[in-house]
Amino acid sequence: GNSVTQMEGPVTLSEEAFLTINCTYTATGYPSLFWYVQYPGEGLQLLLKATKADDKGSNKGFEATYRKETTSFHLEKGSVQVSDSAVYFCALSDWNNQGGKLIFGQGTELSVKP
Amino acid sequence: DSGVTQTPKHLITATGQRVTLRCSPRSGDLSVYWYQQSLDQGLQFLIQYYNGEERAKGNILERFSAQQFPDLHSELNLSSLELGDSALYFCASSDPGLAGEETQYFGPGTRLLVL
Repeated sequence: GNSVTQMEGPVTLSEEAFLTINCTYTATGYPSLFWYVQYPGEGLQLLLKATKADDKGSNKGFEATYRKETTSFHLEKGSVQVSDSAVYFCALSDWNNQGGKLIFGQGTELSVKP
Repeated sequence: DSGVTQTPKHLITATGQRVTLRCSPRSGDLSVYWYQQSLDQGLQFLIQYYNGEERAKGNILERFSAQQFPDLHSELNLSSLELGDSALYFCASSDPGLAGEETQYFGPGTRLLVL
């Protein structure tokens, strides 16, 4: 079945460092891909999404490109801030003609130190 | 604030008991999804409803059931609770966009602790 694999955390960076969180997927067809962020004690918030190959999603300085050839959707940010400390989830949309769901990776915890 | 509300925020109960978790979707959203987040299983999909009808089912235990009412709010019922049911339960909703491309908006979750 469809699945998502993320790099393991926790990831610890200094403020203004470059961030990459790797995400690869296994799927039949071409699902939509998402990055969600979960701040401590809160629900999940959509960070960005891409619905077809070569699409780039971007938001708040984060970006990710849907790469069909490598089945990847890596999250990047050029300069992280302390406020970016959170858990990041990569997800794909698993859908049929009735309905569907999001399949999530295991999450990557990011800690940014001042 | 996603616009999705969940009550209660926290729930502490005993093994063998039954609880009901409630979710109100964003205004206009017809789909409601339930997910369970636990340390060992991660985020797992439970069930989806669309305009009152069940549309997709994940690895939802037989002890768990859900429904979506005419006003589109949804309830997740958990019965014969076990220690392993302790988790964060999220509700999400989405608008009727292109199938598979809709963004799911998540509520703040209900934290269930079974003692």
